[in-house]
Amino acid sequence: DQQVKQNSPSLSVQEGRISILNCDYTNSMFDYFLWYKKYPAEGPTFLISISSIKDKNEDGRFTVFLNKSAKHLSLHIVPSQPGDSAVYFCAASGNAGNMLTFGGGTRLMVKP
Amino acid sequence: GAVVSQHPSWVICKSGTSVKIECRSLDFQATTMFWYRQFPKQSLMLMATSNEGSKATYEQGVEKDKFLINHASLTLSTLTVTSAHPEDSSFYICSASPNRPDTQYFGPGTRLTVL
Repeated sequence: DQQVKQNSPSLSVQEGRISILNCDYTNSMFDYFLWYKKYPAEGPTFLISISSIKDKNEDGRFTVFLNKSAKHLSLHIVPSQPGDSAVYFCAASGNAGNMLTFGGGTRLMVKP
Repeated sequence: GAVVSQHPSWVICKSGTSVKIECRSLDFQATTMFWYRQFPKQSLMLMATSNEGSKATYEQGVEKDKFLINHASLTLSTLTVTSAHPEDSSFYICSASPNRPDTQYFGPGTRLTVL
């Protein structure tokens, strides 16, 4: 069974509005969470991360929120830009070294 | 920032041949490297984890005799797809970790097409 899930395979947002990408996990041993952005035919690039000791981390237009009790994290992009259109993967890491478990990805489309 | 390169970026080969993909960390030492495979419309699938100087740890369902992984130095890991078949056609991505808990640095990926 998938330990990290992104239940929305796609999301369409108007330019300038907020994009909210969601991710759920089941393994309570995960203590570090990351978001990756991936363009077609390229490897994922690291976007933002959050440790389980925090519930929010902000970097420019990107903010990640972590709700440990709900085992849920979300990525907020404000304001959304057409260049943000890509597939976003959330990933989680536990005590087993730095191995990441990825979610299935959400394709974000930002319309001009 | 840390850079990970992969070579080649794309490769086309005939069925039955072997293909080697290199993953290099250019400006840091990677104690651990990971190999992923991406299927269309699916997530990255971890194939194996390799630590420098030791045998790779393969995920369940990944044939270690088919996907040979070598991590001979702190900056280089190789994945060799032996006797490749069309079903091995995919996008292979490596990542390298400097053994910090905050990140992995991903390579740009290698697209393998087996005819």
